[in-house]
Amino acid sequence: AQSVTQLGSHVSVSEGALVLLRCNYSSSVPPYLFWYVQYPNQGLQLLLKYTSAATLVKGINGFEAEFKKSETSFHLTKPSAHMSDAAEYFCAVTTLVRGSYIPTFGRGTSLIVHP
Amino acid sequence: DAGVIQSPRHEVTEMGQEVTLRCKPISGHDYLFWYRQTMMRGLELLIYFNNNVPIDDSGMPEDRFSAKMPNASFSTLKIQPSEPRDSAVYFCASSLSRGQDEQFFGPGTRLTVL
Repeated sequence: AQSVTQLGSHVSVSEGALVLLRCNYSSSVPPYLFWYVQYPNQGLQLLLKYTSAATLVKGINGFEAEFKKSETSFHLTKPSAHMSDAAEYFCAVTTLVRGSYIPTFGRGTSLIVHP
Repeated sequence: DAGVIQSPRHEVTEMGQEVTLRCKPISGHDYLFWYRQTMMRGLELLIYFNNNVPIDDSGMPEDRFSAKMPNASFSTLKIQPSEPRDSAVYFCASSLSRGQDEQFFGPGTRLTVL
């Protein structure tokens, strides 16, 4: 079974500081990897995804993530945090299971941005 | 497209009552997923459909939970009878059939069972 580990249920940064949210996955085959963001009282929405085209993936709102196969990681970064980035972030991996592509989500990391 | 539509947005009911949650996926999407989100357990996949056929319901917690997809544009998740521990936010999501296709989530239904 696939698993996704997000280190740190909460990450706190100052406005303007670097954001780093960690994600590691277990997969025996090249996966498809995603980061989703959830704002309060809303559903999840796609931030970015890795589909093997390039190891460094750029997403919306200035976020990017780098796929490192040797480390089985897909960490999310943003150079400068903004107050509006405060939200819950989920890493997900999609793998082929009995003919269907099934997502596995991490537990999520709550990003707190303080002035 | 209006995105994934869920109704109701909020549901408050009493223990023992039947609850029906509804979902309209994005037109043309092959997959439909039902999730439950709680503080304690995070985001849990309950069941998913491929072309209206239930593929894996191993995430459904108990026989009190059932889901149907009578056609490509409608799905229901039913809880009968409901219990206080069923209180959660329930999300419906849909996607195309390729692994690199992301899921599109609805706004969720916040269920409170008293």
